[in-house]
Amino acid sequence: GQQVMQIPQYQHVQEGEDFTTYCNSSTTLSNIQWYKQRPGGHPVFLIQLVKSGEVKKQKRLTFQFGEAKKNSSLHITATQTTDVGTYFCAGPPNDYKLSFGAGTTVTVRA
Amino acid sequence: DTGVSQDPRHKITKRGQNVTFRCDPISEHNRLYWYRQTLGQGPEFLTYFQNEAQLEKSRLLSDRFSAERPKGSFSTLEIQRTEQGDSAMYLCASSLQAYRVKGDEQFFGPGTRLTVL
Repeated sequence: GQQVMQIPQYQHVQEGEDFTTYCNSSTTLSNIQWYKQRPGGHPVFLIQLVKSGEVKKQKRLTFQFGEAKKNSSLHITATQTTDVGTYFCAGPPNDYKLSFGAGTTVTVRA
Repeated sequence: DTGVSQDPRHKITKRGQNVTFRCDPISEHNRLYWYRQTLGQGPEFLTYFQNEAQLEKSRLLSDRFSAERPKGSFSTLEIQRTEQGDSAMYLCASSLQAYRVKGDEQFFGPGTRLTVL
């Protein structure tokens, strides 16, 4: 079955620095979604990418979908303490079901 | 508050007992999902409803688990004869079916944390 892998599992970032987290799928995805889960919270939808090579920005967050639609990345610039949490990518094996990666847990050093 | 709600938020039970969780989705959403999340992992799909019809159950869902969504509104997830391995966060999500290439944006509830002693 489809597997979605995320690296790194943990990302410790100095406040103000940039970092990137990666998501790789064993199969081609029709779309990919990103969610953020704050400590003690529940996953919250961030964005969906559909087209090959698509790039979308949300303020300091840049999301990219690979040309082959098998990988994706999330780049955060000028990390802030509000960026703390776990970022999940999720790919659908069908039109409703999501297969989540294990997430990248981000901590920020002030 | 018009988001997804779940009840209870926490449940502690003894091994062998039955537990039932409730999820109230966003009112206009026709799709409802149950996930299980353990520490350090992403949510794992358990089951899915389109309106009142349960259309898929994961192999993770043993015969001790049952879910219902009567009248296509709220849903319940029951676990019978709980085991310590059932301890996890049980998340409910809902969405409005997207009739296009895009997948659905899923809205998650706060979850029910189950601890089986």
